[in-house]
Amino acid sequence: SSELTQDPAVSVALGQTVRITCQGDSLTNYYASWYQQKPGQAPVLVIYGKNNRPSGIPDRFSGSTSGNTASLTITGAQAEDEADYYCNSRDSSNGLVVFGGGTKLTVL
Amino acid sequence: QVQLVESGGGVVQPGRSLRLSCAASGFTFSSYAMHWVRQAPGKGLEWVAVITYDGSNKYSADSVKGRFTISRDNSKNTLSLQMNSLRVEDTAVYYCAREVTVDTVMRFDPWGQGTLVTVSS
Repeated sequence: SSELTQDPAVSVALGQTVRITCQGDSLTNYYASWYQQKPGQAPVLVIYGKNNRPSGIPDRFSGSTSGNTASLTITGAQAEDEADYYCNSRDSSNGLVVFGGGTKLTVL
Repeated sequence: QVQLVESGGGVVQPGRSLRLSCAASGFTFSSYAMHWVRQAPGKGLEWVAVITYDGSNKYSADSVKGRFTISRDNSKNTLSLQMNSLRVEDTAVYYCAREVTVDTVMRFDPWGQGTLVTVSS
């Protein structure tokens, strides 16, 4: 099966911009989706596909893809954005599912 | 609204069995593939199993293959996960999630609130 690689931890100053990346061979064939998970809560979809936001997700969240790397960008990070972020996509090796290891975002 | 509610978690001894359920509401359950995803304490998300919209195809992760069985009852809008021969390393919060796929974009939305399974002697 394939893998998606994420940086374990990233920090950003309040109000600044941060990019969280997700790298893997599957992303050359499939788009990533991004999930936010706060402590003790279930994951919540924040970005999917090229750059789509579900209803209710602030527009400071955006997505992009280049080659085998997907990125989640938060423009003007807020304290409430501090959370774990996971990417996933379809696994191009077997058609199933692959998750990234997650990135812990700290807002300073 | 679209909602998934898991149940059935608890404390179980190694080698025993447990059955999880996920009740769906607010959408046409029989039109969507459904997944189980787990998260061990302090760890990341791990995909467990998927079942197609009509139940005709099922796939699972190597870590649970031969021990866990995913199933669904479209007449009752319910997804299940039968877990046999449980191991300590199966301890996790188990989430059910609806898959929405359009072309090359697969997303999981929504997720249930999760149910905790603890395997311990």
